[in-house]
Order: sequence, then C-alpha cells, then structure tokens
Amino acid sequence: DQQVKQNSPSLSVQEGRISILNCDYTNSMFDYFLWYKKYPAEGPTFLISISSIKDKNEDGRFTVFLNKSAKHLSLHIVPSQPGDSAVYFCAAQTTSGTYKYIFGTGTRLKVLA
Amino acid sequence: DAGITQSPRHKVTETGTPVTLRCHQTENHRYMYWYRQDPGHGLRLIHYSYGVKDTDKGEVSDGYSVSRSKTEDFLLTLESATSSQTSVYFCAIRGLAGVHEQYFGPGTRLTVT
Repeated sequence: DQQVKQNSPSLSVQEGRISILNCDYTNSMFDYFLWYKKYPAEGPTFLISISSIKDKNEDGRFTVFLNKSAKHLSLHIVPSQPGDSAVYFCAAQTTSGTYKYIFGTGTRLKVLA
Repeated sequence: DAGITQSPRHKVTETGTPVTLRCHQTENHRYMYWYRQDPGHGLRLIHYSYGVKDTDKGEVSDGYSVSRSKTEDFLLTLESATSSQTSVYFCAIRGLAGVHEQYFGPGTRLTVT
C-alpha cells in the first residue's frame, strides 16, 4: 500500500515558466511533509518542508502548498531553470515519535532551455 | 554538508555472498537510516536507528540486518546476497531536534550477479 504517491513519473517545462509537482498521501497522521531533489549519481538533497498545521511555505523560487482535506501537496518552482532538472521526491514524516519517513516514487523534471 | 560518507561506493558481488555496507557520520546525529532506491519504487526504508544499539525495521527489511555499536557508524549487512538486492543504497541522518529534514550520503551502487 503506497501511502505517498507521485502519479506523474515525468514533467517537461520551458525555462522561465512554472513547474508544478504533485504528491498525494493517504495517512492523516503524517505531521511533516518534505521535498527532496536528486541529481544522477548523487544522494537526495533537502529542498523545502511544510508542517501539517500550515498550508503554504515559501523559500525563494520554491513554494509548497498543503491541502489537508484533499490529502494533497504540491511544489511550485517559479521561474524554472535548466539547473532544476532532476528527480523530485516528496516525503512524509510519521507522527509516532520514531521519525520514520515514507517517500513517493519521484517525478523527473526536465526544464527545457 | 552533514559529513556523511558511505563505503564502498560501488560493489559487484555474487549471489549467496555476504555484503556489508558502511555509513559514517561525523556530527553525532542520533537518527540514522538505510534506504534503497529502485526504478518505480522511489526510496524505501530498510532499517533505521534511533541510538547506539537501538534499531528498528523499515518497510523492506527482509534479507537485511543492521548494527550500530558507535554513534558515528551504521552498518547494513546482506547475509546472503540475492539478485533482487541489486540496487542503490543510501544512508541518511536526521538533523538535530526540531529539524525535520534528512541529509543523505552519496550512495552505494550494489550489483549482485
């Protein structure tokens, strides 16, 4: 049972436009959501996070939106740059106090120059 | 840079042989994790540790064991490697209290022939 889902395996966007990456979850008990970026042959790197009590968090070109009623979060990148081309993973932190994380399957973003 | 190293970075081994992967951190973090990354599956948690000698299973723990005898080292052992364990393995640490993101090592590419 996939508790965190990224239904779009890939996305292509023109440079300068907005990239929107989506993530759905099934467990209402997740208390933190995170986005990671991964380049080939490297480990994932943390991008931005949001607490379950918030509905928006912004950091420069990156904004994460959380819709708890729909169990949906999205990452907006504006403006998109060629260097943003990578695989993006969303992750959810469990509330059990053991700090376990469930990851989605990833979305490959390609920003076209 | 969270001071995480993984060794070896690449390994080819034969079915049935034991394999140990090492994760080393330099910043005294309490929580350490082992994940595997496979196409179509994203990152899946194998085992994690919440302190010296304190470990627990993740979602894909069968065939794997771990040990943590020192804060800085978290070892992942495949007792008898199988071809299904061919994967890229990532170690991660969780930041200090109040910090929710994880920091990942560079990964180990393991091929079981």
